Amino acid sequence: KQEVTQIPAALSVPEGENLVLNCSFTDSAIYNLQWFRQDPGKGLTSLLLIQSSQREQTSGRLNASLDKSSGRSTLYIAASQPGDSATYLCAVNNNDMRFGAGTRLTVKP
Amino acid sequence: EPEVTQTPSHQVTQMGQEVILRCVPISNHLYFYWYRQILGQKVEFLVSFYNNEISEKSEIFDDQFSVERPDGSNFTLKIRSTKLEDSAMYFCASSAYAAFFGQGTRLTVV
Repeated sequence: KQEVTQIPAALSVPEGENLVLNCSFTDSAIYNLQWFRQDPGKGLTSLLLIQSSQREQTSGRLNASLDKSSGRSTLYIAASQPGDSATYLCAVNNNDMRFGAGTRLTVKP
Repeated sequence: EPEVTQTPSHQVTQMGQEVILRCVPISNHLYFYWYRQILGQKVEFLVSFYNNEISEKSEIFDDQFSVERPDGSNFTLKIRSTKLEDSAMYFCASSAYAAFFGQGTRLTVV
């Protein structure tokens, strides 16, 4: 069974900092990996999708990388803003998309 | 922009009752999922559905749960004989490549 781990569990940074969120998974036979954002009490918003054949994807200030052989992905957020405060979730898909517990990010003004 | 729609947004039910949670996936998507999230905990996979049948299910998805695609647009999760511990947010998702989630149904069992 796929196990997905996200480190750190929580992170607090001052506005403007660049930061990296980590995701690791145990079974490298995946179709894709997706990063989501979840605001308190809300649904999940898709941020980036990386197919298993890809190494990275970028959208605006976000960059996600994938190293399938080592079972790792990172989400890089550049020039963080208070509006980035949310929980960030990594989901690994091999027919049953499994989530990590998330990283709760707080960006202080 | 197409979106996944879930109804109701909030349902309160008495213990032992049956509930049906409804989802309208994005129209050209082929994969459908149900997840639950107990308050303060992680998003847990329940079941995936493809080509009108279950493709994967988790250990949580026991005989108490069932899914259906009763027509071309709806996708439902039925929970029989609800228990207090079934109280959670239930999310539906659909995908072609990237998965998109609905806003969830908050189920409260009293």
